[in-house]
Order: sequence, then structure tokens, then C-alpha cells
Amino acid sequence: VQLVESGGGLVQPGKSLKLSCSASGFTFSSYGMHWIRQAPGKGLDWVAYISSSSGTVYADAVKGRFTISRDNAKNTLYLQLNSLKSEDTAIYYCARGYAYWGQGVMVTVSS
Amino acid sequence: DVVMTQTPVSLSVSLGGQTSISCRSSQSLVHSDGNTYLYWYLQKPGQSPQLLIYKVSNRFSGVPDRFSGSGSGTDFTLKISRVEPEDLGVYYCYQGTHYPPWTFGGGTKLELK
Repeated sequence: VQLVESGGGLVQPGKSLKLSCSASGFTFSSYGMHWIRQAPGKGLDWVAYISSSSGTVYADAVKGRFTISRDNAKNTLYLQLNSLKSEDTAIYYCARGYAYWGQGVMVTVSS
Repeated sequence: DVVMTQTPVSLSVSLGGQTSISCRSSQSLVHSDGNTYLYWYLQKPGQSPQLLIYKVSNRFSGVPDRFSGSGSGTDFTLKISRVEPEDLGVYYCYQGTHYPPWTFGGGTKLELK
């Protein structure tokens, strides 16, 4: 199982960013996937989940601003981040279930 | 939302020693299917979290038997025996019984004495 995130970077408050998580080593379409984030020097916070049938749920802090999606043909998970705030600054991890995590991608929201 | 409370926040241990970390949930983590979805992770500096224990007491693949999990209901413990240098980092508990949201404990930093 391998999960590789990409798409992070520095973005201004109020702007948008789209993260990707490329999956390999397993049948991607069969698994639910999470996004989890970690602000600098802080603990872990669950962000969003998409089921194998593309049902989605979100943390209250990101509901209405972030959108999780998947493309099973490309074995890729996405997180669209809109209306970004400074408090969204974090490392974003994708995870398959509880056992497999990517290495994370940094998102910095600053003017 | 289920609140996960870990204690202590930090811990000093000697190499070869033994220590334990507590995790309490604000409600029982027993699922209606009979399982208890409580997990333990170790995050080493600069790395993503790695799964140590799943469903309270089951060691994940490749995890040494120096790590053991126990507990039930709302009270859980991770014990680490014969501490080695690679065990240092931040430990998190995580619940997957009552969701959304899935929730983590605040973390326990294990350092060398």
C-alpha cells in the first residue's frame, strides 16, 4: 500500500487549493479514504471521509469549504480547499482506514 | 462528539524501562457490533503516524511485542516495555466507534530521561 499526497503550497487567505493523493498497491475503489491534518506543533485532526460508494462526511471546521472526492479510474483521492483561513495551515495526510497513511503535504495559508 | 483525553501529556523514560499511557473517552467505545474501535499510533519526528495497536489490544503487522494495549468501555492503556530509542515520539489514541467525527487524543510525548 502506498499513498502519495501532492498539491500543497503557500496560498493567501480566501483562496483555493486542491490536494491529491495517489494510491497504489491495493484496489482503491474498494476502500473508504480519509483526510486528516496536523497544524504545526499540534495534534491530529480528522478532516473528511469518503466511502467506497462516494458518500462523504466532514468535520464541522471545514464543512461548506472543503470537498473530498475520488477518481477510481485514476486511483486518486482529492481534497478541494476553498475559502482558506490561516487556521487551515497544516500538514494534510490521506489515509486508508486506520492503518495506512501517506507522508503528508504542507498547506500554508498566509498573506 | 467523543472527546479523547490522554494522560500524561509528556513522559520521560529510561532506555530499557517500562511506561504506560492512558486514554479516556467521553462515552463508551463499544460499538453495536460488539467491537471496540480504539487505536494507538506513534508519530516519530518528521514522519506520519504509524499504527501500533488496533481494536484495543491487537498489534499491527510488524509491531514488536514490547507494545501492548488493554482496556474497555471508556478507559484504555498503552504499555511499552523495554523502551528502545526508536520508541520515542508522540503517541495518539484514536476512536472509530462513534463517527463522524473520528477523534484523536491530544497526544503523549515520550522522551528519554
